[in-house]
Amino acid sequence: DAKTTQPPSMDCAEGRAANLPCNHSTISGNEYVYWYRQIHSQGPQYIIHGLKNNETNEMASLIITEDRKSSTLILPHATLRDTAVYYCIVKGSGANNLFFGTGTRLTVIP
Amino acid sequence: DAGITQSPRHKVTETGTPVTLRCHQTENHRYMYWYRQDPGHGLRLIHYSYGVKDTDKGEVSDGYSVSRSKTEDFLLTLESATSSQTSVYFCAISKGTPSDQETQYFGPGTRLLVL
Repeated sequence: DAKTTQPPSMDCAEGRAANLPCNHSTISGNEYVYWYRQIHSQGPQYIIHGLKNNETNEMASLIITEDRKSSTLILPHATLRDTAVYYCIVKGSGANNLFFGTGTRLTVIP
Repeated sequence: DAGITQSPRHKVTETGTPVTLRCHQTENHRYMYWYRQDPGHGLRLIHYSYGVKDTDKGEVSDGYSVSRSKTEDFLLTLESATSSQTSVYFCAISKGTPSDQETQYFGPGTRLLVL
């Protein structure tokens, strides 16, 4: 599976959009991009995933570049409860493992 | 939230003693996983199961064994606990259909301290 690169930390003002970038330049054609987050001491929580089209659900939007080498997770109106570590993961067929890496620690500031 | 429980949620044990952690699901999902999480390493897969009595190793399986006698339960056993196995252990489940879109859902975790 392709590996990902994320900034180690980011801050975002409460009520503003949080844009979390992820580079996955070695992604292959059948690999999906997943986003999870982990709030302190809790189990990882699934947020969203996509292949090449932009995706949106009740939690977030996922924007994937046309060449699929990078993506951005958007939390449209960040709240204090969104403070967490966000993981960008690339996973393809035949792989049962989710490689979490070290993620981005997002801090939402009042 | 997916119906996943882990027990115990916290455990302190001594080096050399056996420890069994339990993961229980109410979703009837085929796949179950055990991960460990340590500072600086993210989550690492220990073992996974793709059905009753069907299990396979992950990237950090040494010192661990698993069993799955029922769809809903996946047990992780440390035969002889060592201090290096002090960690937070997470169970996860997924439907297991042959698809690249498999989403894993995680339990609340078990904190294990081996003295």
